[in-house]
Amino acid sequence: DTGVSQNPRHKITKRGQNVTFRCDPISEHNRLYWYRQTLGQGPEFLTYFQNEAQLEKSRLLSDRFSAERPKGSFSTLEIQRTEQGDSAMYLCASAWGSGYNSPLHFGNGTRLTVT
Amino acid sequence: AQSVTQPDIHITVSEGASLELRCNYSYGATPYLFWYVQSPGQGLQLLLKYFSGDTLVQGIKGFEAEFKRSQSSFNLRKPSVHWSDAAEYFCAVGSFYNQGGKLIFGQGTELSVKP
Repeated sequence: DTGVSQNPRHKITKRGQNVTFRCDPISEHNRLYWYRQTLGQGPEFLTYFQNEAQLEKSRLLSDRFSAERPKGSFSTLEIQRTEQGDSAMYLCASAWGSGYNSPLHFGNGTRLTVT
Repeated sequence: AQSVTQPDIHITVSEGASLELRCNYSYGATPYLFWYVQSPGQGLQLLLKYFSGDTLVQGIKGFEAEFKRSQSSFNLRKPSVHWSDAAEYFCAVGSFYNQGGKLIFGQGTELSVKP
């Protein structure tokens, strides 16, 4: 168990640029989640995959955001035409099984700063 | 709608003193409850979880939490705080009815420890 890995750890970009983040879940975990966390707040749910299928998307996930999980392994989160309000920590989490009672394991996050 | 409230944004305790962090949830069905801890710039680490059964659950690092259905609470406790416990603590609720085990987080309580 090498843990959930997120890259890059930090990303600084100019407004209007596109950015992509990567998440490698724990190898046997079939569920993968993206959360966004702003300063002083708890994580907010963005989207969820079971294997390669994206099963739920939050209203927070505007049409500038897209997430993929090809082949049910790693996942990418892309933000197009970034805005200053997108500055946040983006957290990825994974879990095993199809049940609701297996806890989420979080990565260390990617901190995005939009200037 | 589900929600989690952590009434205390910031708490300071002396090293060696006892600690209680409050968490109240709002959910119509049986909740599944979690406490996570986050150190600065890091992801979230699971401290403990409650699914069913004994309402007093033990976690890592000497933490425990008690589920009180009548009060819709899941408060986190530790008998003697160590300086290394200084961090942000998040309470979260999940449910069978949340597709795929999505968690809703509170806004967090920042713990400072005085020497």
